[in-house]
Amino acid sequence: ETGVTQSPTHLIKTRGQQVTLRCSSQSGHNTVSWYQQALGQGPQFIFQYYREEENGRGNFPPRFSGLQFPNYSSELNVNALELDDSALYLCASSGRDRETAFFGQGTRLTVV
Amino acid sequence: SQQGEEDPQALSIQEGENATMNCSYKTSINNLQWYRQNSGRGLVHLILIRSNEREKHSGRLRVTLDTSKKSSSLLITASRAADTASYFCATDESSGAGSYQLTFGKGTKLSVIP
Repeated sequence: ETGVTQSPTHLIKTRGQQVTLRCSSQSGHNTVSWYQQALGQGPQFIFQYYREEENGRGNFPPRFSGLQFPNYSSELNVNALELDDSALYLCASSGRDRETAFFGQGTRLTVV
Repeated sequence: SQQGEEDPQALSIQEGENATMNCSYKTSINNLQWYRQNSGRGLVHLILIRSNEREKHSGRLRVTLDTSKKSSSLLITASRAADTASYFCATDESSGAGSYQLTFGKGTKLSVIP
């Protein structure tokens, strides 16, 4: 158990819809990162939030957006869902040393 | 983009044997980490080795890092059926106060047969 919780665990959406995924970071961690993991691939960095501000972004289009709240929990929003957005979405939190990431169990998103 | 590439992609061994996985990467790094993932669930951090370290141990795990060859290896000794999982290497190329992001390889799928 890492103390990072994600909800929901599974989700099925239709192409074109919008989705919001949620993440509660480990206590004391002020940095939250989101990763997308397609089947058979390693996780790919989407973006990171530090003290409620986006602090870095990977190669993902603007329809992937996020928020971090004062309690350091976070949301990932994806608009205009595409079939290729089907993946496991992982949230990770980091503490002051920012070296080790603690991952949640992920949200499995299926777009049909 | 994927930075690290693990080798082999899949490995099947008998319980009690040692398992060795390799990882190669492309750019300069601050540190390299190994993570484990059971059946498409969350990743669990196993071990971190810094760029100025050559070898590190944690229980049955031994990690080596060769920055001149841009490669790392993970050795699991005396494997158990419970070690069956996918193993990923991840590199940290962050600089200064910028974002801390990990770049993962595609992973090695380890099967330990009882």
